Amino acid sequence: DPKIIQKPKYLVAVTGSEKILICEQYLGHNAMYWYRQSAKKPLEFMFSYSYQKLMDNQTASSRFQPQSSKKNHLDLQITALKPDDSATYFCASSQERGIYFGPGTRLLVL
Amino acid sequence: AQSVTQPDARVTVSEGASLQLRCKYSYFGTPYLFWYVQYPRQGLQLLLKYYPGDPVVQGVNGFEAEFSKSNSSFHLRKASVHWSDWAVYFCAVSMGNYAQGLTFGLGTRVSVFP
Repeated sequence: DPKIIQKPKYLVAVTGSEKILICEQYLGHNAMYWYRQSAKKPLEFMFSYSYQKLMDNQTASSRFQPQSSKKNHLDLQITALKPDDSATYFCASSQERGIYFGPGTRLLVL
Repeated sequence: AQSVTQPDARVTVSEGASLQLRCKYSYFGTPYLFWYVQYPRQGLQLLLKYYPGDPVVQGVNGFEAEFSKSNSSFHLRKASVHWSDWAVYFCAVSMGNYAQGLTFGLGTRVSVFP
């Protein structure tokens, strides 16, 4: 059974629209993260949450807003989408120092 | 700020041959180091992790890595590669503060041929 669920798997959006990426983890971890993987760039750390509180934000744009309604949920809202936002977005979680990743949501902005 | 360099973008290896993937890190302090693997169209899977201690770390599927503070390296090795090892391998470093996430290298794409 998958321990970190991300929905949807694929997402196509138009420029200027808003989308929410869903993440749920069933590992019992207290810390959750969002990472972004774009072509020809390193996997990029975006946010970290611990016990539903924002710990670190390395995303320059306020168009990216994480939302945590439950301890094991960390959704990512992206507003005013741009073609440069096209990437695969990975949710992750950790309890100790090993970080475990979900399968990703592949976003394409046209 | 910490950084990770994986100098080999692509590596081609024959099935059954040995494999070494290089990773150099830049970090002022004691790093925590990781290797992840990404199979085609999948997420990242943790292969192994290094915490300060024994410099040789054993991971899953026959992988191991060796930490060298003098060389600022954390190279990944496997004695005998299988076709299923065809994937992209990422090295990552952490400051040990889990809140600050991981810094990744660009990855090394490994192709395995019979």
